[in-house]
Amino acid sequence: GENVEQHPSTLSVQEGDSAVIKCTYSDSASNYFPWYKQELGKGPQLIIDIRSNVGEKKDQRIAVTLNKTAKHFSLHITETQPEDSAVYFCAASRRGSARQLTFGSGTQLTVLP
Amino acid sequence: NAGVTQTPKFRVLKTGQSMTLLCAQDMNHEYMYWYRQDPGMGLRLIHYSVGEGTTAKGEVPDGYNVSRLKKQNFLLGLESAAPSQTSVYFCASSYTQRGGRNEQFFGPGTRLTVL
Repeated sequence: GENVEQHPSTLSVQEGDSAVIKCTYSDSASNYFPWYKQELGKGPQLIIDIRSNVGEKKDQRIAVTLNKTAKHFSLHITETQPEDSAVYFCAASRRGSARQLTFGSGTQLTVLP
Repeated sequence: NAGVTQTPKFRVLKTGQSMTLLCAQDMNHEYMYWYRQDPGMGLRLIHYSVGEGTTAKGEVPDGYNVSRLKKQNFLLGLESAAPSQTSVYFCASSYTQRGGRNEQFFGPGTRLTVL
C-alpha cells in the first residue's frame, strides 16, 4: 500500500518568514495530493490540493509543488502569520482506491511573533 | 448546515467495555470514513463506506466494526475496548468530485480513553 513520509515533524519560523514542509510518497499510481491544516481541538481542514497532471498550484500565500519523478511534494507558506500556527498534514490517494487518503505524520508549525 | 458532527466528544472506558461512536453528516455525501489519530502517526484509516449499506476495511480495522444503515450516519463500534484503542477518532465525509479530487470534511473528533 501507499506510504507517505512527512518532514519536519516540528517547524518554528519568525512571523513574516516562509515555511516549507516536504512529503514523499511510495505508490507511483498516486495522483491526488491534498494538504490539511488542523487547529488545536478541531478536525483537519483542506487548504490546498494538487493533481498529478500539474506541477505547481498557488492560492494566495500558500503553494504546493509536485515532482512526480522523485515522488515528492511540498507545501510553501509565505509571509507567515501567527494564525498559520497549526499541525499540517500531507496526504496521497490514487484513482480507483475508493478515494482513500494516506496521510503523513504531520508537522507542527509555530509562527513566532 | 451542521456539516459533520460526532457524538460523544469525550469518553472514558474500562478495558473490555463496548461503545459506539456516532458520525452524522447533513451534506448528502456518498463517502464516509473513520480515522484514528495518535501522536506522531498522523491519521490512519479504520473503515470507510462508499454508500449506504456498504462498508470496507481500511489500514487499521482490527478491533472495530462499522455500520452505515442510513446515508447520513456512520457508526463505529468497539466490542471489547483495549488500552491500545485510546486515541482521538475522527469521522469524515466526501462526495464525487470532478477531476479526481477528494476533499474530505472532518468532524470535531471524539477523544477516547481506555483504562
